Amino acid sequence: AQSVSQHNHHVILSEAASLELGCNYSYGGTVNLFWYVQYPGQHLQLLLKYFSGDPLVKGIKGFEAEFIKSKFSFNLRKPSVQWSDTAEYFCAVSQYSSASKIIFGSGTRLSIRP
Amino acid sequence: GAVVSQHPSRVICKSGTSVKIECRSLDFQATTMFWYRQFPKQSLMLMATSNEGSKATYEQGVEKDKFLINHASLTLSTLTVTSAHPEDSSFYICSARPRGSGANVLTFGAGSRLTVL
Repeated sequence: AQSVSQHNHHVILSEAASLELGCNYSYGGTVNLFWYVQYPGQHLQLLLKYFSGDPLVKGIKGFEAEFIKSKFSFNLRKPSVQWSDTAEYFCAVSQYSSASKIIFGSGTRLSIRP
Repeated sequence: GAVVSQHPSRVICKSGTSVKIECRSLDFQATTMFWYRQFPKQSLMLMATSNEGSKATYEQGVEKDKFLINHASLTLSTLTVTSAHPEDSSFYICSARPRGSGANVLTFGAGSRLTVL
């Protein structure tokens, strides 16, 4: 069974700082990878996804993630964070199938100091 | 875009009673819906996969007689927490995959917060 690890529980940054959130998964087969964001009081939204092709994926709001197959990683990055990026970020994985369930990591809370 | 609605958003019930939570896809049909449970400051735990017209598939450790799932139509799945106890208090979130979608992308509802007294 697949699983997802997010090693950073809570990250605190100042505005304009660069961000990298770690995500590692365990599954031997081909995977779909996701980053979801949950802003305070709101529901989960898809930030970006990787299905195949270019391992560097660009999402909304300036976020990007890189799939490194050899490291089983899918880290999320943003060169310059804003206060509005304060949220909970979840990495998720599913088997490469349109019918597969999606498993979530434990989440990383990002707090941005104005 | 695809929208998933959950109702009620908040519910408080007495211990021993049953509570039903509805999950509707508003502008698309969904052959598959997923039910998750989120504990405070923790991740989403997949409870079950709900398939239209067939029995739900439950994850290991989730009691199917405790958490009844019905997916009677392509736009509605319900989760009934039977004989609720305080430890069932949690945030329940449903998600749906549009019918015919070749991509494994889910749309999430806003969640339902259950408090059992």
